[in-house]
Amino acid sequence: DTAVSQTPKYLVTQMGNDKSIKCEQNLGHDTMYWYKQDSKKFLKIMFSYNNKELIINETVPNRFSPKSPDKAHLNLHINSLELGDSAVYFCASSQAGRQPQHFGDGTRLSIL
Amino acid sequence: GQQVMQIPQYQHVQEGEDFTTYCNSSTTLSNIQWYKQRPGGHPVFLIQLVKSGEVKKQKRLTFQFGEAKKNSSLHITATQTTDVGTYFCLISSGSARQLTFGSGTQLTVLP
Repeated sequence: DTAVSQTPKYLVTQMGNDKSIKCEQNLGHDTMYWYKQDSKKFLKIMFSYNNKELIINETVPNRFSPKSPDKAHLNLHINSLELGDSAVYFCASSQAGRQPQHFGDGTRLSIL
Repeated sequence: GQQVMQIPQYQHVQEGEDFTTYCNSSTTLSNIQWYKQRPGGHPVFLIQLVKSGEVKKQKRLTFQFGEAKKNSSLHITATQTTDVGTYFCLISSGSARQLTFGSGTQLTVLP
């Protein structure tokens, strides 16, 4: 069984559209994350979330919003997509805030 | 906010040569983690260092945490083509709120 799974694997869409990426973990972890990896491979944390607290990287535009229906899921919703949003988005989870993270396979988002 | 510098950005080595990547922080760290990302893959956890001066080994990989807990290194002895990928450090300081990945070192191993 895949520990951290995210869908879709690829997402190609037009500028201005709204899209969501789903993430689920079956590890029983209580903290989940979203990262953006750009073409230069820089990994930037966007959000971290546990059942008590959402921590937002202040540099992330408010067009991006995490939604967590339960402890095992943290979805990423993006409004009004822009060209600069093209990147690979990784979901990850860990037992607690500073524990080792398990990553999903990534979602490659391409904006036309 | 906390900053981390990882060097070098790129490293090309001949198979069998050694390789080292370094992470340097401007602040004292709570811990440091190392990850490896194969081309087209996702980051995979390698090790976590917590104690000042800590040294851990995994086969040909040696990880060190500086005495002042501001820097760390990953050393690979006798590289193999399977070592190809990007190696990242992940630092945290203070509360778990502060998590920052280094910029990564892309390792190419020439056969």
